[in-house]
Amino acid sequence: QITLKESGPTLVKPTQTLTLTCTFSGFSLTTSGVAVGWIRQPPGKALEWLALIYWDDDKRYSPSLKSRLTITKDTSKSQVVLTMTNMDPVDTATYYCAHRSNWGSGGVFDYWGQGTLVTVSS
Amino acid sequence: QSVLTQPPSVSGAPGQRVTISCTGSSSNIGAGYDVHWYQQLPGTAPKLLIYGNTNRPSGVPDRFSGSKSGTSASLAITGLQAEDEADYYCQSYDSSLSGYVFGTGTKVTVL
Repeated sequence: QITLKESGPTLVKPTQTLTLTCTFSGFSLTTSGVAVGWIRQPPGKALEWLALIYWDDDKRYSPSLKSRLTITKDTSKSQVVLTMTNMDPVDTATYYCAHRSNWGSGGVFDYWGQGTLVTVSS
Repeated sequence: QSVLTQPPSVSGAPGQRVTISCTGSSSNIGAGYDVHWYQQLPGTAPKLLIYGNTNRPSGVPDRFSGSKSGTSASLAITGLQAEDEADYYCQSYDSSLSGYVFGTGTKVTVL
């Protein structure tokens, strides 16, 4: 059974760099077609896709945040790490990681972590 | 910034049928990319409800159904139940953004 869990700081100061870790089980990020993504949701607002990393280490980023994001994987630890630089209060959100299944055209996020709330405040 | 547009809210009495629209463009839904739907109960993570426009994962009641036409998609809930009160999001892929896009979200209220 596939599970994912996010971990990281709950509070960061403006201008700091956020580092979030997604630890997963039930699948391998070395299997062809598999990918893990990050999605965030500000309080009371909609979901926003941030980044995705594929089994072959190919990476995709949201164009609006690309300059601030880096996604990496450690297959030996079954982890995916997202870093976001120059944090601002508008980045306050619940951050989710999700397993992307290579189904159909584009793929689907079929398993999600529970999410972690990150607050940006001085 | 959501690329897919949904109505902010829909409501219905128990047992009724409600539909949620998801309007995109020629670079996402209209380009042939699949539409998926997620249900988010209060205080919880999104859960996959419909994938590939019309398919239900195991365990999802057949009261939920999806459709797609042109640059839009729809989610229908028939026989509305109190437990269906939640936020619903559509999602697709956008070729001009080379990334994934979500809808603006719709809150379903059971009267």
